[in-house]
Amino acid sequence: TQLLEQSPQFLSIQEGENLTVYCNSSSVFSSLQWYRQEPGEGPVLLVTVVTGGEVKKLKRLTFQFGDARKDSSLHITAAQPGDTGLYLCAGARTGANNLFFGTGTRLTVIP
Amino acid sequence: DAGITQSPRHKVTETGTPVTLRCHQTENHRYMYWYRQDPGHGLRLIHYSYGVKDTDKGEVSDGYSVSRSKTEDFLLTLESATSSQTSVYFCAISVTREGTGELFFGEGSRLTVL
Repeated sequence: TQLLEQSPQFLSIQEGENLTVYCNSSSVFSSLQWYRQEPGEGPVLLVTVVTGGEVKKLKRLTFQFGDARKDSSLHITAAQPGDTGLYLCAGARTGANNLFFGTGTRLTVIP
Repeated sequence: DAGITQSPRHKVTETGTPVTLRCHQTENHRYMYWYRQDPGHGLRLIHYSYGVKDTDKGEVSDGYSVSRSKTEDFLLTLESATSSQTSVYFCAISVTREGTGELFFGEGSRLTVL
């Protein structure tokens, strides 16, 4: 059982639609990161959230850290084919020297 | 670009043979990590290093060993490969002093064990 569960695991939508991806845990994290990975490449950091309730926006992407710092969400407005990829959340726990990655959400945006 | 290279990028081997994957960084970052990626599991930590000759186990370390004799190189060894170790392996470095900052990843090494 992994520390961070993401839902949905797969998501296929039409261009222009909105979507939300969830990252949930029963554990508390000191910070949480979101990465995007394209085929044949390593993940690339999108954002880091560190405060409970924090909301960060990156163009059409909105990231929120839960008030209790146990969960996070990623909302994409008006999805575009370029948003296609694997989205991974990763949490940092106090006292640990590594990140714990979520199970991943594979997004396909159809033109 | 954090200057991480992995080798080999692709390898096919047979069950029972030893395999070593290499991760090389061009900078002087303290923390280096080996993850494996499998469908439905995201990234799972195998081992990590916090300095030369300083390593620790991750959540899926059984069947793997690591070595770091130089700051720039972190080796992952499968002593006797099994089919369950077929996966894509990613090396990563943390560019902050602690190990929980932003990670930069290599391009991955795809290993197939027949």
